[in-house]
Amino acid sequence: AQSVAQPEDQVNVAEGNPLTVKCTYSVSGNPYLFWYVQYPNRGLQFLLKYITGDNLVKGSYGFEAEFNKSQTSFHLKKPSALVSDSALYFCAVRVYDTGRRALTFGSGTRLQVQP
Amino acid sequence: DTAVSQTPKYLVTQMGNDKSIKCEQNLGHDTMYWYKQDSKKFLKIMFSYNNKELIINETVPNRFSPKSPDKAHLNLHINSLELGDSAVYFCASSQTGFSGNTIYFGEGSWLTVV
Repeated sequence: AQSVAQPEDQVNVAEGNPLTVKCTYSVSGNPYLFWYVQYPNRGLQFLLKYITGDNLVKGSYGFEAEFNKSQTSFHLKKPSALVSDSALYFCAVRVYDTGRRALTFGSGTRLQVQP
Repeated sequence: DTAVSQTPKYLVTQMGNDKSIKCEQNLGHDTMYWYKQDSKKFLKIMFSYNNKELIINETVPNRFSPKSPDKAHLNLHINSLELGDSAVYFCASSQTGFSGNTIYFGEGSWLTVV
């Protein structure tokens, strides 16, 4: 089984401040972790993923995420938020297998960046 | 040069009608998916096909029938539409062989049943 929790429905941050969007996961086996962003009336865009290796993963638009195995977390971060970062963010997990399984998504976190 | 494209983007229809949503990917992937996003933005897998073979079939009413004529296409047909079917339906694709391969999503099809 695989599941993801995003404990915050919404995160508010002022432009220029650092942001963190939290994600914890539960899997039986090694996890592959993903972050996607959804802008209003748009599809899901891939931001970054953790496969193996360095726990700090860098992705699109200046976002990064830190994998923490002991805390089973994969929080999304950005050093300086932009108003244009305001969107819905989804964390997702897939366990190690041949890749035939689908992604399991968290409930999403709405990020609001105030000017 | 859209990677995963689905049509129509918006669909408004009456209860009881039958409708289809089409999806095509030009990424050369061998696996395609349908996800449903409800009004609370929850994303849930509905179906997955690998090389035209159904490999994931979640608890979905049998009014929903996916069809994959080839590995680049996965269509979703919905019979006898109900109000509760109103949602956003996302098509996606990926390459099997490694669970770390990225799944790419289409822009979504907004279905409203009235």
